[in-house]
Amino acid sequence: DTAVSQTPKYLVTQMGNDKSIKCEQNLGHDTMYWYKQDSKKFLKIMFSYNNKELIINETVPNRFSPKSPDKAHLNLHINSLELGDSAVYFCASSQGTGAIHEQYFGPGTRLTVT
Amino acid sequence: AQKITQTQPGMFVQEKEAVTLDCTYDTSDPSYGLFWYKQPSSGEMIFLIYQGSYDQQNATEGRYSLNFQKARKSANLVISASQLGDSAMYFCAMREPLRAAGNKLTFGGGTRVLVKP
Repeated sequence: DTAVSQTPKYLVTQMGNDKSIKCEQNLGHDTMYWYKQDSKKFLKIMFSYNNKELIINETVPNRFSPKSPDKAHLNLHINSLELGDSAVYFCASSQGTGAIHEQYFGPGTRLTVT
Repeated sequence: AQKITQTQPGMFVQEKEAVTLDCTYDTSDPSYGLFWYKQPSSGEMIFLIYQGSYDQQNATEGRYSLNFQKARKSANLVISASQLGDSAMYFCAMREPLRAAGNKLTFGGGTRVLVKP
């Protein structure tokens, strides 16, 4: 059983398109995250939701909009895709937002914008 | 200023030997947590080990141990008896402050480890 799953695994699209990445976790966690890993492997948090409430919103273009329909799902919608959006996007989850809660990551979605 | 610094972009280690991956951090808050993650070539991020700033003892998890030197603000990962499957990118991350809402992790730039047979 996959703990944190993402679809699709690969996404190739053209500039200007709108796309979504879906994330689901079956760990019973109440906090979910989106991270972006660029071509140099640098990993940076984008958003975090706790019980469907947005609690972390880093400096991300407003073309990126997360949506959490329930605690087990966190989707990422990207409007008007740009070349610089090409990256690997990771979803993660944790139990709570307290001290020792390690985050479990999904397999990543490699987005390529042409 | 970078909050998490991994100064070794890449390193080789002989199979069965130990390897130490450096991580230094910068924070003025006394309450924080340090994590190490492994990213093999397949791409997934795997949690390895955690150290809290108030923990008295260095964390250990199997072949992984964390050499936590608070005064030096370093949290080096030691992998003992390296195996070929340890070849991967390794990321150090910090969560601070622990009392704040959210569980934001700030990652270092990573160290690529290649284990030689």
